Amino acid sequence: GAGVSQSPSNKVTEKGKDVELRCDPISGHTALYWYRQSLGQGLEFLIYFQGNSAPDKSGLPSDRFSAERTGGSVSTLTIQRTQQEDSAVYLCASSFGRTQRDTQYFGPGTRLTVL
Amino acid sequence: AQRVTQPEKLLSVFKGAPVELKCNYSYSGSPELFWYVQYSRQRLQLLLRHISRESIKGFTADLNKGETSFHLKKPFAQEEDSAMYYCALRMDSNYQLIWGAGTKLIIKP
Repeated sequence: GAGVSQSPSNKVTEKGKDVELRCDPISGHTALYWYRQSLGQGLEFLIYFQGNSAPDKSGLPSDRFSAERTGGSVSTLTIQRTQQEDSAVYLCASSFGRTQRDTQYFGPGTRLTVL
Repeated sequence: AQRVTQPEKLLSVFKGAPVELKCNYSYSGSPELFWYVQYSRQRLQLLLRHISRESIKGFTADLNKGETSFHLKKPFAQEEDSAMYYCALRMDSNYQLIWGAGTKLIIKP
């Protein structure tokens, strides 16, 4: 079946604008993760969903960042009043979620550039 | 704090030579370690995990708790191994992965 998909693949925005990034997980995967990867850095955990609930939002860097998931499927990461330091690749991953050891499958990412 | 360190940003070896990508971690509990790989213009994918104790594409990695290391090794590198390699740690009873900064592996012909 299809893997994790993300849209858009690239987003260029002006400082101060809001952006929405979308993630479609693999069908049947109940767990969904958002990560951020800045240039030359490893992945930074942002938020985790189990179903529609986000038990861990500890990675969100500021209150400008929020995420939701509906129907146990699609998730949207919203960044309000974007800043230049928000420029990064935003990765989404999903897993079966049956156990914490389930393999995470990654999407291709959204490259966000804030001018 | 928990941390994963990949000391080499770039590693370049000739085809057929052995390759070792280093990964060290700091965590006092029972870790689960992973290697992920990202080939050019492809998405990040799992290469291997220590609990599986398997060899994937000729790569192996052994968890050394004494040295807190999980180095990735391959005895004879191939050109198609050129990619970005990331080491990641999952702490016990946790879903969150902590990532190293990655090592870019270049295999020269």
